[in-house]
Amino acid sequence: QQQVKQSPQSLIVQKGGISIINCAYENTAFDYFPWYQQFPGKGPALLIAIRPDVSEKKEGRFTISFNKSAKQFSLHIMDSQPGDSATYFCAASNSNNNDMRFGAGTRLTVKP
Amino acid sequence: GAGVSQSPSNKVTEKGKDVELRCDPISGHTALYWYRQSLGQGLEFLIYFQGNSAPDKSGLPSDRFSAERTGGSVSTLTIQRTQQEDSAVYLCASSLGQGRGGYTFGSGTRLTVV
Repeated sequence: QQQVKQSPQSLIVQKGGISIINCAYENTAFDYFPWYQQFPGKGPALLIAIRPDVSEKKEGRFTISFNKSAKQFSLHIMDSQPGDSATYFCAASNSNNNDMRFGAGTRLTVKP
Repeated sequence: GAGVSQSPSNKVTEKGKDVELRCDPISGHTALYWYRQSLGQGLEFLIYFQGNSAPDKSGLPSDRFSAERTGGSVSTLTIQRTQQEDSAVYLCASSLGQGRGGYTFGSGTRLTVV
């Protein structure tokens, strides 16, 4: 059972553009929503995370928007750069059991 | 150590052989996880260790797969009688546990069964 649904599967953006990746979750007990960035040959690395007490979190060019009522959250990459080309995974977990569920991933390509 | 260390980084084995994959988590991290990532695919949960509690083995795909964690630190994932469909990258992650922050992943072991 897929508890976190991620879209799109792949995304191509021009340099300087905005990349948007969306995720939806089902379990209302989830209270921690991280995004991971994975480069080829490397493990996923934590990029940015949000808890449901806020609707937005920004770190540099990366922003998470969170809609608790819709059970959706998204990653926005502003001024996308070729170095941002990677696979991005959203995830959700419940602090009580630390059981984290991952989305299927989005392969982002930023063209120069 | 500063990060999660996995060894070997690459492993090629013949079908039917047993393999052992090792994970050294971040010191002080009580939770340890194994995931499998097939080429271009997402993260498939395999097993989860939290402190001294019984591990959550619900993601292990068959009884050929097993894992142990000695002394609450190093973990070994064992695959017996390997099959070609076992070929994948096996990722280990650790965390402080109980929802305190995200996971830190190792770089993985790329297993190829020929």
